[in-house]
Amino acid sequence: QQQVKQSPQSLIVQKGGISIINCAYENTAFDYFPWYQQFPGKGPALLIAIRPDVSEKKEGRFTISFNKSAKQFSLHIMDSQPGDSATYFCAASLNSGYSTLTFGKGTMLLVSP
Amino acid sequence: DAGITQSPRHKVTETGTPVTLRCHQTENHRYMYWYRQDPGHGLRLIHYSYGVKDTDKGEVSDGYSVSRSKTEDFLLTLESATSSQTSVYFCAISVQSTGELFFGEGSRLTVL
Repeated sequence: QQQVKQSPQSLIVQKGGISIINCAYENTAFDYFPWYQQFPGKGPALLIAIRPDVSEKKEGRFTISFNKSAKQFSLHIMDSQPGDSATYFCAASLNSGYSTLTFGKGTMLLVSP
Repeated sequence: DAGITQSPRHKVTETGTPVTLRCHQTENHRYMYWYRQDPGHGLRLIHYSYGVKDTDKGEVSDGYSVSRSKTEDFLLTLESATSSQTSVYFCAISVQSTGELFFGEGSRLTVL
C-alpha cells in the first residue's frame, strides 16, 4: 500500500516558469510533510517542510501548499531556473517528524534554458 | 554536511556473495537509517536504528540485516546478494530537534 502518491513522474518547465509537483497521502495521522531535493550523484537534502497547522509555507522561490481536508500537498517553484533541475521527493511522517518518513516515488524536474 | 560517510561508494559483486555496507557518522546522532533508491520506487526504508544495538525493520527488510555496535557506525549486510538488490543505498541520520533527515552520498551496488 503506497501511503504517499506523487505526481507527475517527470516534468519539463521553461526557465522562468512555475513548476508544480503534487502529493497525496492516505494516513490522516501524518503530521509532518517535507520535500527533499536530490541532484544526480548526491543524497537527498531537505528543501522545505510544513506541518498541518498552516496551509502554506514559503521559502524564497519555493512554496508548499497544504490541503488537510483533501489530504494533499504540493510544491511550487516560482521563476524556475536550470539549477533547479533535480529529482524532488515529497514525504510524510507521524509524531512531528520523529517517526520514520514515507517517501513518494519522486519527480524528475528539468528546467530548460 | 552532517558528517556522514558511506563505504564503499561503488561495489560490483556476484550473486550469492555476502556484502556489507558501512555508514559512519561523526556527530553522535541517535537515529540512523538505511534506504534504497530504485527508479520508479523512490526511497524505501530498509532498516533503522534508534540506539546502540537497537534496530527495527523498515518497508523492504527481507534479505538485509543490520548491526550497530557503536553509536557512530551502522552496518547493512546482504547475507547472499541477489540481482534484485542492485540499487543505490543511502544512509541517513535524523536530527532529533527538527526531525530532518541528512543523507550520505550513497553506495551504488551492482549484483551480477
